[in-house]
Amino acid sequence: GIQVEQSPPDLILQEGANSTLRCNFSDSVNNLQWFHQNPWGQLINLFYIPSGTKQNGRLSATTVATERYSLLYISSSQTTDSGVYFCAVVQRDSGGSNYKLTFGKGTLLTMNP
Amino acid sequence: SAVISQKPSRDICQRGTSLTIQCQVDSQVTMMFWYRQQPGQSLTLIATANQGSEATYESGFVIDKFPISRPNLTFSTLTVSNMSPEDSSIYLCSVSGTEGGYEQYFGPGTRLTVT
Repeated sequence: GIQVEQSPPDLILQEGANSTLRCNFSDSVNNLQWFHQNPWGQLINLFYIPSGTKQNGRLSATTVATERYSLLYISSSQTTDSGVYFCAVVQRDSGGSNYKLTFGKGTLLTMNP
Repeated sequence: SAVISQKPSRDICQRGTSLTIQCQVDSQVTMMFWYRQQPGQSLTLIATANQGSEATYESGFVIDKFPISRPNLTFSTLTVSNMSPEDSSIYLCSVSGTEGGYEQYFGPGTRLTVT
């Protein structure tokens, strides 16, 4: 199956710092999502981004599908950014009727106040 | 997007028993999915549940251990059967197809501890 690799696995930031998280995937995909899992376990949709660049406030994401990677940028980080950031890719099955989301292992972001 | 609720939000169960988790969506959806997140790990797909057909299970997951129902387009259940401490995890349901696309939205999860 497809491999999804995220880096770095752990990240410690001071408030106000900027960071870039990376997601590499091993095969072509139908789509890609970024999620934030907060310390209470809730998965929050950040971006649904098969290609190109999107921005939402302090966050932005870029996917280069031809090169099989995506980047998540966090600017001016805040304590509420703590948690795990997951990249997940969508692939259709061989029959084409079903599809599935395969997750990377995540990046654990710890904020220092 | 869709609003998804799960019941129970958490439970502590004895080994050998079974627990049924409910997932309710506020709109009709084509695809519903069940995931497991073991402590400190990423999410792993258990099965895909389409209304009117048998659930499709991923490698390593079997119907006898994780029976799934999908009686209509807004509701699904996952049962964790004959539980052992290794089943202690967060179980999450997700949906997609609300706007004809692949984007998935997740429920708040059910935190299960097996003693």
